[in-house]
Amino acid sequence: DIQMTQSPSTLSASIGDRVTITCRASQSISSWLAWYQQKPGKAPKLLIYKASSLESGVPSRFSGSGSGTEFTLTISSLQPDDFATYYCQQYNSYFTWTFGQGTKVEIK
Amino acid sequence: QVQLVESGGGVVQPGRSLRLSCAASGFTFNSYAMHWVRQAPGKGLEWVAVISYDGSNKYYADSVKGRFTLSRDNSKNTLYLQMNSLKFEDTAVYYCARDPMYWGQGTLVTVSS
Repeated sequence: DIQMTQSPSTLSASIGDRVTITCRASQSISSWLAWYQQKPGKAPKLLIYKASSLESGVPSRFSGSGSGTEFTLTISSLQPDDFATYYCQQYNSYFTWTFGQGTKVEIK
Repeated sequence: QVQLVESGGGVVQPGRSLRLSCAASGFTFNSYAMHWVRQAPGKGLEWVAVISYDGSNKYYADSVKGRFTLSRDNSKNTLYLQMNSLKFEDTAVYYCARDPMYWGQGTLVTVSS
């Protein structure tokens, strides 16, 4: 099974900061990686798919990069609406998915 | 547009059963594999199970293997998750998903005595 290791688990940042979250796969997943944002009581919202493709309607301050086993989600300038929990997900395997442990972005 | 609507959640005692449904619309249901993902209160996302487009292949997370059974009725565009021998740790919001782009809003299952 493919394991996903996400870091950090918590991140404290200020409005306007550049924020980076990292996700590492236990084996190559090519570019089959998604990033989600989740707020309390809500379903996850897709931000990035195929490692670097921005989902329609998602602000351009969000970007994704990487391939193989190392991936990053970057928020170029943190906005008040961005305080949430973020998850990476591999979908390289047609039949099984794996999620990272999550990163909670808090107000500093 | 693509819609996935889960139903069937509720409060159930440990050891009992519950069946969740996911009604799909807006796409050719019988062309897609379908997944269930769950999230326990205050915890992260956990993939639960997947069924192939025609129901011939099913895979389960170790945590539910032998207790949960996936099925689908392509004539009704509906996915099912039969959950037996429920445990306290099965308490979660259960989401059905087609792929990373399309998820339902979830249904809450609470296992409590």
